Amino acid sequence: DVKVTQSSRYLVKRTGEKVFLECVQDMDHENMFWYRQDPGLGLRLIYFSYDVKMKEKGDIPEGYSVSREKKERFSLILESASTNQTSMYLCASRGPGTSGVSSYNEQFFGPGTRLTVL
Amino acid sequence: AQRVTQPEKLLSVFKGAPVELKCNYSYSGSPELFWYVQYSRQRLQLLLRHISRESIKGFTADLNKGETSFHLKKPFAQEEDSAMYYCALSGRGAQKLVFGQGTRLTINP
Repeated sequence: DVKVTQSSRYLVKRTGEKVFLECVQDMDHENMFWYRQDPGLGLRLIYFSYDVKMKEKGDIPEGYSVSREKKERFSLILESASTNQTSMYLCASRGPGTSGVSSYNEQFFGPGTRLTVL
Repeated sequence: AQRVTQPEKLLSVFKGAPVELKCNYSYSGSPELFWYVQYSRQRLQLLLRHISRESIKGFTADLNKGETSFHLKKPFAQEEDSAMYYCALSGRGAQKLVFGQGTRLTINP
């Protein structure tokens, strides 16, 4: 069973603070993703990583950065938190589906971190 | 450009009634389509994918390339189907998923 864990379920930070959100997966997946989930907007991709030290911008990377120093860990960094970054943040890793066929593009999600920036 | 549209933010039906959650997409190649579901206080999880052509929890979805749609259907809704549903798309072999805005389904007793 794939396990994707996120360091915090709830986080409250102040405007201007540097914020780290951590995600760990235990399935040796190469691809990892960070999304934010907002009502009416669905899931929007912030950044993703297809290998250690490799990253690509998603649809809304502004105000965020990421770090992937180890295969199992993908960190999202808010350099200077702002109130418009208050959201639910979801991490995902991608790997073979339940049938074991590697071509299946199944993403496995963490429980989410609800970040509030005051 | 890849785009997924779920026209209904909210959908409310009575238990035992048929359910259809709409999903339309735009994509220039051959897409892979998925439905993800998030039950209350649970993580987002894959419900079904078009390539499998399977029924999961009584739900089915058929890819209609002519209408560029991938609607999710269930003939008889159950209360435990109440959840947030997201339609998603990726290109074949692509790493990324593009999600729709989501539809919150409520099944009334």
